[in-house]
Amino acid sequence: DAGVIQSPRHEVTEMGQEVTLRCKPISGHNSLFWYRQTMMRGLELLIYFNNNVPIDDSGMPEDRFSAKMPNASFSTLKIQPSEPRDSAVYFCASGPQGAYGTDTQYFGPGTRLTVL
Amino acid sequence: AQSVAQPEDQVNVAEGNPLTVKCTYSVSGNPYLFWYVQYPNRGLQFLLKYITGDNLVKGSYGFEAEFNKSQTSFHLKKPSALVSDSALYFCAVRGSGNTGKLIFGQGTTLQVKP
Repeated sequence: DAGVIQSPRHEVTEMGQEVTLRCKPISGHNSLFWYRQTMMRGLELLIYFNNNVPIDDSGMPEDRFSAKMPNASFSTLKIQPSEPRDSAVYFCASGPQGAYGTDTQYFGPGTRLTVL
Repeated sequence: AQSVAQPEDQVNVAEGNPLTVKCTYSVSGNPYLFWYVQYPNRGLQFLLKYITGDNLVKGSYGFEAEFNKSQTSFHLKKPSALVSDSALYFCAVRGSGNTGKLIFGQGTTLQVKP
């Protein structure tokens, strides 16, 4: 079992550049979550999908952020244009049907983003 | 609104001693409660959860947690701490009437000293 796969693991970019983070959920999981972790704000849910459909994107900070899930095995989180305050660790998590109920979420290793 | 509080930023304990990491919550309806652990430069790992039933829940690595409805608490415990338990611990909650967000606490750093 490969677990949740995220790429890249580290990303350093300059302000104004487009950044794309990628996630492959665990096979068979129907729910996918994007989180952001910072020292100041802790762990924040940005968006979650169920069966590839965005259910709640109220945590997406602003229009510069967008997320897609074109199929059950792939999701992207894009930041355009990036800003230094976007520097954080971004986690993707997946879960079985009902992961937004009683089931467990399984986290990927995260992408550490640094925007200079 | 759902919320979860971890009142201690850090807990220090000597190896071999019992440990407790505190968590209190506020939700509408019955709570679903979770504990996750994060080791340095890693993602969160599931430890245990309470959905219903016995108030004492046993999880991975010898950890357990006790659900106390009257005190709205879900403290994480372990009878004998190991140095390898040193990590960041997150409590999380979701209300049974809600579909969606799992709300995480700010996290508690556990430091176990030899």
